[in-house]
Amino acid sequence: DAKTTQPPSMDCAEGRAANLPCNHSTISGNEYVYWYRQIHSQGPQYIIHGLKNNETNEMASLIITEDRKSSTLILPHATLRDTAVYYCIVRPNLYNQGGKLIFGQGTELSVKP
Amino acid sequence: EAQVTQNPRYLITVTGKKLTVTCSQNMNHEYMSWYRQDPGLGLRQIYYSMNVEVTDKGDVPEGYKVSRKEKRNFPLILESPSPNQTSLYFCASNPTGWNEQFFGPGTRLTVL
Repeated sequence: DAKTTQPPSMDCAEGRAANLPCNHSTISGNEYVYWYRQIHSQGPQYIIHGLKNNETNEMASLIITEDRKSSTLILPHATLRDTAVYYCIVRPNLYNQGGKLIFGQGTELSVKP
Repeated sequence: EAQVTQNPRYLITVTGKKLTVTCSQNMNHEYMSWYRQDPGLGLRQIYYSMNVEVTDKGDVPEGYKVSRKEKRNFPLILESPSPNQTSLYFCASNPTGWNEQFFGPGTRLTVL
């Protein structure tokens, strides 16, 4: 699976958009970009995933660059409850160890009032 | 409500005393996994199961056993726990091998 690089921490003001970057320069053609978050030792929570097109759901938007070497997760109106560690994960779209997810160190997002 | 449940949520035990952490999901998912999370090491997969009676080792299986006799349950068994198994454990399930995974709330285990 491709390696990902994320900033260790970021701050965001409540109500503003949080833009979390992720570099995955070694991504291959069959690999998807997944985002999860973990709120203070709770179980990780799936947010969104995409292959090459931008994606949006009720939680967030995912913007993937045209060369697919980086992506940005956007939380459009961050709230205090969005304070969490956000993980960017790249994995192929095929069976692999029961869908094993390899979590890196992630970005610790702090949303401040 | 669709969910993955784990029990117990917290457990303090002593070295060598066998224990089982239960995991159950109500979403009829084929795939289930166990992860452990340790500071600085992230989440690491212990075991996974693709369906009933089908299990396989993940990245850190030593000292653990699992079973999958029913689709909904995937217990994690520590036959002889040791202090290096002190960790935060998560069970997860997903309908296929690559779709989004649903994680349980976690079990914090301390082995003295």
